[in-house]
Amino acid sequence: EVQLVESGGGLVQPGGSLRLSCAVSGFTFSSYGMHWVRQAPGKGLEYVSAISTNGDRTDYANSVKGRFTISRDNSKNTLYLQMGSLRAEDMAVYHCARSVSGYDDYWGQGTLVTVSS
Amino acid sequence: EIVMTQSPATLSVSPGERATLSCRASQSVSSNLAWYQQKPGQAPRLLIHGASTRATGIPARFSGSGSGTEFTLTISSLQSEDFAIYYCQQYNNWPRTFGQGTKLEIK
Repeated sequence: EVQLVESGGGLVQPGGSLRLSCAVSGFTFSSYGMHWVRQAPGKGLEYVSAISTNGDRTDYANSVKGRFTISRDNSKNTLYLQMGSLRAEDMAVYHCARSVSGYDDYWGQGTLVTVSS
Repeated sequence: EIVMTQSPATLSVSPGERATLSCRASQSVSSNLAWYQQKPGQAPRLLIHGASTRATGIPARFSGSGSGTEFTLTISSLQSEDFAIYYCQQYNNWPRTFGQGTKLEIK
């Protein structure tokens, strides 16, 4: 069974940093690109970042470029999102998702990031 | 950035009836269009990719059509479990972009 489990969310002050993790199982992690997608409370879905199978290619939404870094450790079956200079508008549930040719066929339940003083 | 526009924002339909949801792209995305279903407190679930290909395990009452800039998701006979929010998403260009969603509610 394919599983994606996010962790690392929590309360952080504006300007602070946080590192999210996504532990996967049930498939060969190194064979799939991965995405982070977020959803602000009561709002729609927004792509945050993408990474290729071996991590040599990454992409970011303009809203997070220069502040967030996506990475992966294929030996640990884990995806990461390092978030810095956090703003109120970054507050959201962050989902990791498995990418297949650009769309996402499996999603994690998400981890909530709250940015507040 | 490609803007995806869904209509209507809310659709009220009775169980057993047909629902038709629309999605328009601001420029052509070819057939690189997916539909997702999301229920409260849950992760999105992939329904359709390639504009018209049902994902694994998705019932045949869900169908997708369209190409270029105009797309449709049709649910042929609504079941109680189908009432949810539906999002379209283009994956032709980066950044991937979603529509704002259509809430399908019980009439």
